Amino acid sequence: DQQVKQNSPSLSVQEGRISILNCDYTNSMFDYFLWYKKYPAEGPTFLISISSIKDKNEDGRFTVFLNKSAKHLSLHIVPSQPGDSAVYFCAALTGTASKLTFGTGTRLQVTL
Amino acid sequence: DAGITQSPRYKITETGRQVTLMCHQTWSHSYMFWYRQDLGHGLRLIYYSAAADITDKGEVPDGYVVSRSKTENFPLTLESATRSQTSVYFCASSVFWTNEQFFGPGTRLTVL
Repeated sequence: DQQVKQNSPSLSVQEGRISILNCDYTNSMFDYFLWYKKYPAEGPTFLISISSIKDKNEDGRFTVFLNKSAKHLSLHIVPSQPGDSAVYFCAALTGTASKLTFGTGTRLQVTL
Repeated sequence: DAGITQSPRYKITETGRQVTLMCHQTWSHSYMFWYRQDLGHGLRLIYYSAAADITDKGEVPDGYVVSRSKTENFPLTLESATRSQTSVYFCASSVFWTNEQFFGPGTRLTVL
């Protein structure tokens, strides 16, 4: 049972445009969400997070939006750069369980 | 070197052999985690540890054993490797389970 879903396995965006990566979850107990970025042959690195008490968190070119009623979050990258080409994982955790639940990932390719 | 390291980076073994993957972190983080990454599944938690001598199962623990006698080390052992354990394995650590996790570079394991 996939509690965190990233339904788009891949996304291609032109440099300078907006990239929107989506994530849906089913467990209403999730109250903290994170995005990780992964380059080939490297471990994932933390990108940005959001608590369930917020609906938006921004860090430079990266903004995460949370819609709790729809159990949906999205990561916006503006403007997209070639160095953003990577696999992006959405992850979630609850206030009681000591573990992250990851989505399956979305491969973003930013083209020139 | 400071950070989190994994060894070996690549390993080929045969079905039925015992294999141990090493993980070492220099931050004195309390929490450590082992994940496997497989196509279509994202990152799945195998085992985690809240402190030395405290470990707990994750989502896919069968066929794996962990120990944590020292805070900085968290080895993962496959007691009798199977082909289904061919995967990329990531170790991670965090100050607390609600904090961001820092990942190692991964170990690519092939079981023939």
